Amino acid sequence: EVQLVESGGGLVQPGGSLRLSCAASGLTFTDQYVSWVRQAPGKGLEWLARIANKANSYTAQYAASVRGRFTLSRDDSQNSVFLQLNGLTTEDTAVYYCRIFVSTHANDYWGQGALVTVSS
Amino acid sequence: EVVMTQSPATLSVSPGERVTLSCRASQSIGNKLIWYQQKPGQAPRFLIYGASTRATGIPDRFSGSGSGTEFTLTISSLQSEDFAVYYCLHYINWPFTFGPGTKVDIK
Repeated sequence: EVQLVESGGGLVQPGGSLRLSCAASGLTFTDQYVSWVRQAPGKGLEWLARIANKANSYTAQYAASVRGRFTLSRDDSQNSVFLQLNGLTTEDTAVYYCRIFVSTHANDYWGQGALVTVSS
Repeated sequence: EVVMTQSPATLSVSPGERVTLSCRASQSIGNKLIWYQQKPGQAPRFLIYGASTRATGIPDRFSGSGSGTEFTLTISSLQSEDFAVYYCLHYINWPFTFGPGTKVDIK
């Protein structure tokens, strides 16, 4: 069974930083792209970023709203992806999901989400 | 950036009714479209990809159609568990973008 587990969420002051983790199990992690999607309270979904696999040079891409503030990295030995969130504002308050689409059998997997609250 | 729009914003429906949700892209995305269903407090559920292919385990009352810029998700006979918000997502190029969603609620 494939599982994605996010961790690292919490309360942070404006201007602060957090590091979210997504740990995967039950799939060949090294082959996968991993994405992050967030959802502000009562709002819609926003695709934030994705990081490619080794075969594609671990290339990271970001939405304009977070480019320059958020940074993706991964550690294939730990089956994990990390999202570093810097320069947080109240508009970054949201549930952050990691997501993997396994193209070989067209399955789409999401974590349970990590809540990030930016407030003074 | 491809901008996705969805209509209507809210749809009030009775169980058993046929439901048609629309999604439009600001430029052609071919068939690179996914539909998701989301219920409160849950992660999105993968329904349709490639605009018209049902994901594994999705009931056949769900169907997707369209290509280019106009897409439709149809639920042939709405069940109680289908009351939710539905999002479309394009994946033709980066950045992927979601539509704002259509909320299907009980009439």
